Amino acid sequence: DTAVSQTPKYLVTQMGNDKSIKCEQNLGHDTMYWYKQDSKKFLKIMFSYNNKELIINETVPNRFSPKSPDKAHLNLHINSLELGDSAVYFCASSQDRLAGDLYEQFFGPGTRLTVL
Amino acid sequence: GDSVTQMEGPVTLSEEAFLTINCTYTATGYPSLFWYVQYPGEGLQLLLKATKADDKGSNKGFEATYRKETTSFHLEKGSVQVSDSAVYFCALRDTGGGNKLTFGTGTQLKVEL
Repeated sequence: DTAVSQTPKYLVTQMGNDKSIKCEQNLGHDTMYWYKQDSKKFLKIMFSYNNKELIINETVPNRFSPKSPDKAHLNLHINSLELGDSAVYFCASSQDRLAGDLYEQFFGPGTRLTVL
Repeated sequence: GDSVTQMEGPVTLSEEAFLTINCTYTATGYPSLFWYVQYPGEGLQLLLKATKADDKGSNKGFEATYRKETTSFHLEKGSVQVSDSAVYFCALRDTGGGNKLTFGTGTQLKVEL
């Protein structure tokens, strides 16, 4: 059973297009995250949602808009794609603070986005 | 702000060699510390963690000790295997809300026969 799944696995698109990446977790977690990993493997958090509420919003261009229809899903929509958006995007989930020290973040397999 | 510094890679070792990957951190308060591993083509997996000073995290033969005095959390393994080839990330979680992880730049390990 897949714990954290992402679709698509690969996404190749032209500059200026709008695209979405979907994430779903079946772990019953309350918190979900999006991370960006650049070509040098540097990993940085972008957003975090807890029970559909935005709780972390790092310095990310407003072309990136996360959407959480329910606590099991956190989708990432990107408008007007730029070359610098090419990266691997990872979704993750975790239990929340109220559940004790169950902070481990479980990561999805990643979506490799290539902007041409 | 918080930061994590890891040794530059790639690190290439022969099978059964001893591994050390250095990690130091800068943070206010008393963060929790983690090592994550990323195998080729996969997402990150938690390898081990330590939540307070002098704690030792261990898993699959890897271990790391939370050293507050040197702000370090070096990863070690006594005898590496080819299957350990991966990218290893040191990370900290600050004491604020949001369960935010700050990662180091990752260290690629390649183990050869």
